[in-house]
Amino acid sequence: GNSVTQMEGPVTLSEEAFLTINCTYTATGYPSLFWYVQYPGEGLQLLLKATKADDKGSNKGFEATYRKETTSFHLEKGSVQVSDSAVYFCALIGVAGGFKTIFGAGTRLFVKA
Amino acid sequence: GAVVSQHPSWVICKSGTSVKIECRSLDFQATTMFWYRQFPKQSLMLMATSNEGSKATYEQGVEKDKFLINHASLTLSTLTVTSAHPEDSSFYICSAGWVNSNQPQHFGDGTRLSIL
Repeated sequence: GNSVTQMEGPVTLSEEAFLTINCTYTATGYPSLFWYVQYPGEGLQLLLKATKADDKGSNKGFEATYRKETTSFHLEKGSVQVSDSAVYFCALIGVAGGFKTIFGAGTRLFVKA
Repeated sequence: GAVVSQHPSWVICKSGTSVKIECRSLDFQATTMFWYRQFPKQSLMLMATSNEGSKATYEQGVEKDKFLINHASLTLSTLTVTSAHPEDSSFYICSAGWVNSNQPQHFGDGTRLSIL
C-alpha cells in the first residue's frame, strides 16, 4: 500500500540556517504530494503541493520538488526563522490508496534565535 | 478561502459525560469530512470518513458506538464522544475534502479533549 517516510526529528537549527526535511514515498502510479505544517496547539495547514513529476511546490520561502525517479519530496528553506518552529508533515493522495491522505510521522523543527 | 471551523477548541469534562465536536466548512462545500485523532508527538490517525446524509465509514479498530459521527449537511459534521473516559483524552482534528479526488483536505484547528 501507499506510505510516506519522513526523517526523524527533532531538527534544531539556528535562525537563518538552511533547512532540509527529507520525505520519501511508496505509491503505485502518480500520487499528489503535499507538505502540511502544524503549529503548537493548532490543526494542519497546507504549506505546498505538487501533483506531477518535476513539479515544484513553493510557499512562504519553502519549496519541494516532486522527484519520481527517487520517489522523494524533500522540503527546503534557505533561511529559517524562529516563527518556522512547528511540526511538518509530508503526505500523499493516490488512486491506489483510495484517495485517502497518507501522512508521514511528522518532523518537529525548532529554530533558535 | 477554504476555511474549516472546529468548535470547541478545548474541552474539559468529567468521566462518563458525552462531548460533541463540530466541524464546519465556512466558505466552500466539500463532499466528505474526515475525523482524525492525534496523540502527543505523533502523526494523525484517521478515525472515520463521512459523507453528507450517509453513515460514516470507520477505520479498523475505531468503535462506532463510542465515536458517533453525524453529517447532516455539506458544511457540517459532528463527532460525539459518548461516555468519555480518560483514555479518550486526545487532540481531535477534522478536515473537509472530496472523495475520489487528489485535492488536498482543509483542516480545522483541532479540539483538545481532556477527560478527568
